[in-house]
Amino acid sequence: NAGVTQTPKFRVLKTGQSMTLLCAQDMNHEYMYWYRQDPGMGLRLIHYSVGEGTTAKGEVPDGYNVSRLKKQNFLLGLESAAPSQTSVYFCASSDSGRETETQYFGPGTRLLVL
Amino acid sequence: KQEVTQIPAALSVPEGENLVLNCSFTDSAIYNLQWFRQDPGKGLTSLLLIQSSQREQTSGRLNASLDKSSGRSTLYIAASQPGDSATYLCAVSGNQFYFGTGTSLTVIP
Repeated sequence: NAGVTQTPKFRVLKTGQSMTLLCAQDMNHEYMYWYRQDPGMGLRLIHYSVGEGTTAKGEVPDGYNVSRLKKQNFLLGLESAAPSQTSVYFCASSDSGRETETQYFGPGTRLLVL
Repeated sequence: KQEVTQIPAALSVPEGENLVLNCSFTDSAIYNLQWFRQDPGKGLTSLLLIQSSQREQTSGRLNASLDKSSGRSTLYIAASQPGDSATYLCAVSGNQFYFGTGTSLTVIP
């Protein structure tokens, strides 16, 4: 039982390049989330999914796209990377159920955009 | 928009001391509040979850309280140890999760 895994762990991009971050969970969770963490700003929600085939915007969705084609995977895409997207990206998953919803986090992906 | 604030931003204590971390939030319409631990270069690990109808939760040396009406939560750590050194974040669950910026704790042996 690996929990939540993220690929890659670290990546350097040039401005304008594209890439996809992969998140996988083996807990059969319905909900999945993508966050970015920046110094002094805490974690901010980019996009989330409440089930296979569904996605929704979070607090800071601009410049990112997501897909949830399979229940266990949640992909985050950057079509044209910008230096402002330099950050640490975390994926999380949870069972549905608001009152008792605990999120399980992956180890993060460090992205540097030059 | 929900705002979550954590004070202090950093805290350094000698080993064995009891300590309190604070979290405040602006919108009391929440489903739950969680405290997480984050070690350097790692993801977040959930420590305690308090449902909106609850007042406190305990796990070992940790005790978290919630006062929804005043928009406050505290995390009490008893008999601190060097292994407790980490960043502690609180998060509230409403229409989405909102995180504070964290308190960086250092426990000095």
